[in-house]
Amino acid sequence: DGGITQSPKYLFRKEGQNVTLSCEQNLNHDAMYWYRQDPGQGLRLIYYSQIVNDFQKGDIAEGYSVSREKKESFPLTVTSAQKNPTAFYLCASSPGTGTVKYEQYFGPGTRLTVT
Amino acid sequence: AQSVTQPDIHITVSEGASLELRCNYSYGATPYLFWYVQSPGQGLQLLLKYFSGDTLVQGIKGFEAEFKRSQSSFNLRKPSVHWSDAAEYFCAVGLYNQGGKLIFGQGTELSVKP
Repeated sequence: DGGITQSPKYLFRKEGQNVTLSCEQNLNHDAMYWYRQDPGQGLRLIYYSQIVNDFQKGDIAEGYSVSREKKESFPLTVTSAQKNPTAFYLCASSPGTGTVKYEQYFGPGTRLTVT
Repeated sequence: AQSVTQPDIHITVSEGASLELRCNYSYGATPYLFWYVQSPGQGLQLLLKYFSGDTLVQGIKGFEAEFKRSQSSFNLRKPSVHWSDAAEYFCAVGLYNQGGKLIFGQGTELSVKP
């Protein structure tokens, strides 16, 4: 089955620790995205990558980092610099070219709680 | 700046009743338009999309949406709502020549009364 896998579904960390969220896709999509979702605020783009070894900051990149060493993987690290990291994190992917690149497929999400 | 507004935070409809969820966007050109649905604690699923052409688009699960350029709107409709339609709905705008980036509205939560 093709799709996007995010693990784990729930993640708990202590304040001051970095934490890495996993995102893997087997759709052969070129582009991948990370979003943060908070109640009443919709989805906000953290980082995106259109090709391997390249990525761009989204609207709320401060306190986050990413890498794109493989086409199928786009891990997100939430660093201790992120002031309010508790949120639901969604990973998405899309084909790289044409109008279909706007058709994003989403993973099931990871709920991160930092205390 | 580009933006997407969903004026209704929460809507309740009776099962079998019709549904319309509103979406307005602010953008200098005609954008690409999308509606996504999210069940609690899950990812988002694409319901339908508009790129160009016929302004009334059909999607999955019996949903349709109409693009009205004069009103900068892309409202989602369903003639008869089922209890399984209870979820959160997001309108999104794709900006031309900005990769595949989407801007999402704040979402509308739909509750369905039996």
